[in-house]
Order: sequence, then structure tokens, then C-alpha cells
Amino acid sequence: DTGVSQNPRHKITKRGQNVTFRCDPISEHNRLYWYRQTLGQGPEFLTYFQNEAQLEKSRLLSDRFSAERPKGSFSTLEIQRTEQGDSAMYLCASSHEGNQPQHFGDGTRLSIL
Amino acid sequence: GQQLNQSPQSMFIQEGEDVSMNCTSSSIFNTWLWYKQDPGEGPVLLIALYKAGELTSNGRLTAQFGITRKDSFLNISASIPSDVGIYFCAGHWDDKIIFGKGTRLHILP
Repeated sequence: DTGVSQNPRHKITKRGQNVTFRCDPISEHNRLYWYRQTLGQGPEFLTYFQNEAQLEKSRLLSDRFSAERPKGSFSTLEIQRTEQGDSAMYLCASSHEGNQPQHFGDGTRLSIL
Repeated sequence: GQQLNQSPQSMFIQEGEDVSMNCTSSSIFNTWLWYKQDPGEGPVLLIALYKAGELTSNGRLTAQFGITRKDSFLNISASIPSDVGIYFCAGHWDDKIIFGKGTRLHILP
């Protein structure tokens, strides 16, 4: 399977704990995106990378969120001191540079107890 | 900021019927995209539109990029049970994608 891969698929944690998600993009794509999706809504942009450089962060990305793509391949999204409002589906997408369609993984569903 | 308005929010149709849904925006987009999302999965790209006025088909799906670059529609012909899901329109803006809230398609037995 050469699509976008995300792990874990589900994460249940207690409020206040830290969580980390991983995304492996399509190998030839140099752009990687993170989105958040809540029930009944479309995905909302969080941040994106071109190779290892993080080029933009949304206002939705509070200080508790940090994303990395250290070698320009896979990426991690960490949420520190999780809150109830962090419960959502976190989606990763990748694309070629430019105005190219983004291809999504199946997401990590985060539930905060 | 950019917003996409999708209509209808949900549709209930009989198997075999044709479906039409649309998307409008107050802003101009350079690229329009249509995605389908099944429960528990990520959005899957259906059609990408790059030029104003462009009409593109993908099997039973047809989509058009409006002349004003502020709207798009998606038609599905002869619906089948596996067409059930949420259809999102999306516009490419400033290296990111802005999504609508989706049209949920239900097919009655």
C-alpha cells in the first residue's frame, strides 16, 4: 500500500496526558499537511511542511501542539496536556509541491476521557 | 476568512436516482476539489478541477468549476449503495485546502 499511513488509528487518553501521532506520507510527495476534523464538520487546516520545513501554522494550533518532520519524510504531531476539546479526528495529507491535490490518510481518532 | 457553503446538507434518495450537490464561496479559488469520506476513514479525492468552466467526469461522477471561480457542482448518475457517504467540496487557497461542511448522502432501500 503506497498511500498515506497514520498511526495509531485510535487513541484514548486521560485529560492532561501527552499524545503523539505519526504520519507517513506518499513517498514521492514533498508536502505534508495536518488537519483536524470534528463531528459534522469538514477537515480544518492545522499546519504543513515542505520537506523538513514547517511553512505555516493555523491559529487553531495552540502552544500545546507541536509538529515535526525531521528528515522530510514522516511527521509527528504531539499534543501536550490534552484537554476535552482536543477530541477529534486528526488527518494527515500529502501532495507534490504547488497547487496539487492532497491525498489523505485514514486519520487518528483521539478521545479524551 | 474563506468559507465554502455546501448544499444540501443531506440528501435521501432512491437507488438508481441521479444526485446533484453544489458548493459556493465568497472568494475565488484556483482549484476546486471534490472528496468523499466514509465513516472512520479519511477523505478520498474524487475529482480535481483546475480551470474556470472546466467540466470533468470520473465514471458516474461529473463536476464543473464555475465560470466565476466561486462555485462548483458535483453530479452522480444512477446512484448505487456504495455512493453513501459524505461529499466535501474544497478549494485550494494559499497552499492549503479549505473544506465545506459536506453533503451527507443517504440511499433508501
